[in-house]
Amino acid sequence: NAGVMQNPRHLVRRRGQEARLRCSPMKGHSHVYWYRQLPEEGLKFMVYLQKENIIDESGMPKERFSAEFPKEGPSILRIQQVVRGDSAAYFCASSPGTVNTEAFFGQGTRLTVV
Amino acid sequence: DQQVKQNSPSLSVQEGRISILNCDYTNSMFDYFLWYKKYPAEGPTFLISISSIKDKNEDGRFTVFLNKSAKHLSLHIVPSQPGDSAVYFCAAKRGSRNQFYFGTGTSLTVIP
Repeated sequence: NAGVMQNPRHLVRRRGQEARLRCSPMKGHSHVYWYRQLPEEGLKFMVYLQKENIIDESGMPKERFSAEFPKEGPSILRIQQVVRGDSAAYFCASSPGTVNTEAFFGQGTRLTVV
Repeated sequence: DQQVKQNSPSLSVQEGRISILNCDYTNSMFDYFLWYKKYPAEGPTFLISISSIKDKNEDGRFTVFLNKSAKHLSLHIVPSQPGDSAVYFCAAKRGSRNQFYFGTGTSLTVIP
């Protein structure tokens, strides 16, 4: 019973490149959440998705960031034209979407922009 | 707008003593509350939760208390152990909305 799988664990990108972060939710979970943790800060909500739908993207920067959760395959967080300020740990969580259940987190992807 | 707040960024406690981590929320519609523990370079792991129909939930050394009128919850760890040293996040959600709102975290250090 695999947990939430994120890959890669570490990603180094040069300024201006694209970063693609992948998240496979736990089996049976159809709700995915992305959070960002900047150094010395807490978990900041970015986006909440269900299969093929974005439910809430109020925490996503308006430009360069996008997320998807297709019918088949993992959820993808995509950052175009990365800048130094995008360097952070990005965490994905999943839940079954039922009342009074917790979200389970992956190990995170640490993005470093050089 | 931070709907879940942890006003103490850090806490130090002697081994064997009680650790009390606090969390306040602003949205009275929240009805399910959770605590997560996070070690460096790892993802947060679920620790304990409480539904709004209860005011206390206990699991081993961990107890969560909920005061709905004050919109306040706390996590008690007793006795504290060095392995409890981590960042603790509280979170809240409401009803059928599956959105989790997290606090900014409290870094707990348990001194041997």
